[in-house]
Amino acid sequence: NAGVTQTPKFQVLKTGQSMTLQCAQDMNHEYMSWYRQDPGMGLRLIHYSVGAGITDQGEVPNGYNVSRSTTEDFPLRLLSAAPSQTSVYFCASSYAQGPQETQYFGPGTRLLVL
Amino acid sequence: AQKVTQAQTEISVVEKEDVTLDCVYETRDTTYYLFWYKQPPSGELVFLIRRNSFDEQNEISGRYSWNFQKSTSSFNFTITASQVVDSAVYFCALSEINRDDKIIFGKGTRLHILP
Repeated sequence: NAGVTQTPKFQVLKTGQSMTLQCAQDMNHEYMSWYRQDPGMGLRLIHYSVGAGITDQGEVPNGYNVSRSTTEDFPLRLLSAAPSQTSVYFCASSYAQGPQETQYFGPGTRLLVL
Repeated sequence: AQKVTQAQTEISVVEKEDVTLDCVYETRDTTYYLFWYKQPPSGELVFLIRRNSFDEQNEISGRYSWNFQKSTSSFNFTITASQVVDSAVYFCALSEINRDDKIIFGKGTRLHILP
């Protein structure tokens, strides 16, 4: 298993550009989420999904769109990049409920918006 | 609303000392999960533990132990005989039961273990 993969690892955008951050998992996990991590802010939830076809907004959804057409993929789209979206983005997945289940994080995508 | 507070922004201890990282949470849910994650300097996030609010037993895993006290809404994390490799940012987090997709994180505590 590759686990949770994210591409690209690093990206520089100009203000106003759009792009898609890719996230994929090969563990047949139902739950997937996107977080952003800013210095001194911890991780903040952007969007999440409990399964294919179902998505919902987290704490900081503005400026981002998601879709979940398959169980494996959960892309995050930046519609019109702004410098405030400079951050490290983490995708996470987990299978089911229960204290023994582990949540897996991708390696992160570092985004710089100029 | 749910909230996680890690009051200690940064801690430095000398290697082999014990260190406790504090976590206080707020939730209106009667059942919930609590988590701890480690983020080493390399940047990846490492899951350490998930604790169900039903279970107030303390947990020990090697040099790591967790003290869950529902009465004070705290879920503290202790590292015994700290090592330099323990240097990292540690995050405490909270979610509703069965809602792994919606985890709320604290701001983290940066731990420095000095040789």
